[in-house]
Amino acid sequence: QLQLQESGPRLVKPSETLSLTCSVSGGSISSNSYFWGWLRQPPGKGLEWIGSVYYNGSPYYNPSLKSRVTMSVDVSKNQFSLRLDSVTAADSALYYCARDHKTAVTTAGLGVAWLDAWGPGALVTVSS
Amino acid sequence: SSELTQDPAVSVALGQTVKITCQGDTLRNYHGNWYQQKPGQAPVLVIYGENNRPSGIPDRFSASRSGTTSSLTITGAQAEDEADYHCNSRDKSGFWVFGGGTKLTVL
Repeated sequence: QLQLQESGPRLVKPSETLSLTCSVSGGSISSNSYFWGWLRQPPGKGLEWIGSVYYNGSPYYNPSLKSRVTMSVDVSKNQFSLRLDSVTAADSALYYCARDHKTAVTTAGLGVAWLDAWGPGALVTVSS
Repeated sequence: SSELTQDPAVSVALGQTVKITCQGDTLRNYHGNWYQQKPGQAPVLVIYGENNRPSGIPDRFSASRSGTTSSLTITGAQAEDEADYHCNSRDKSGFWVFGGGTKLTVL
């Protein structure tokens, strides 16, 4: 069974860089059927997608965060990573990694894609 | 603000049926997905695509779609179904968007 687990510093100072790694077990990150995504959820609020990355390192990012986000993949370690630059208190949140299924198209012409295998989450606080 | 709209809170009597809705233009071109999130836990996918349940999800969970609205129905709600429910889909650029979430209370 595929499992994902976030790791990294839980306390980051304002203006510095948030760095998290997601370790994938029970399956290979080198699949051409999936991207690997990062999401976040401020306490008591809704979910926000940060971006996703393909096993070859090709990313796609939420336009609202694109200028501060970098994602990468380490196939040898079956891991993918998130860097978020110039953080502020507004970046304090639970950060999740998840598997991001590539879009398929139904016979009716509708797109189908979903996020599954979410990690348990990492609570990151931005504070001096 | 969320690109998908959900009612903030819904309640249902134990054993009764409840429908939670999600509305947005992205649902015109993509099926919506539904995630259940209990306090202190990560979201869990309960419905994906047209009306598909991952392994282990009870068959009391189902979904339907009409125009720009996706609906999650729980038939015979149980106490353990009390949770936040989030819908999502891709937008026309392929990016992920979410609704604000619906808090379901089972009375």
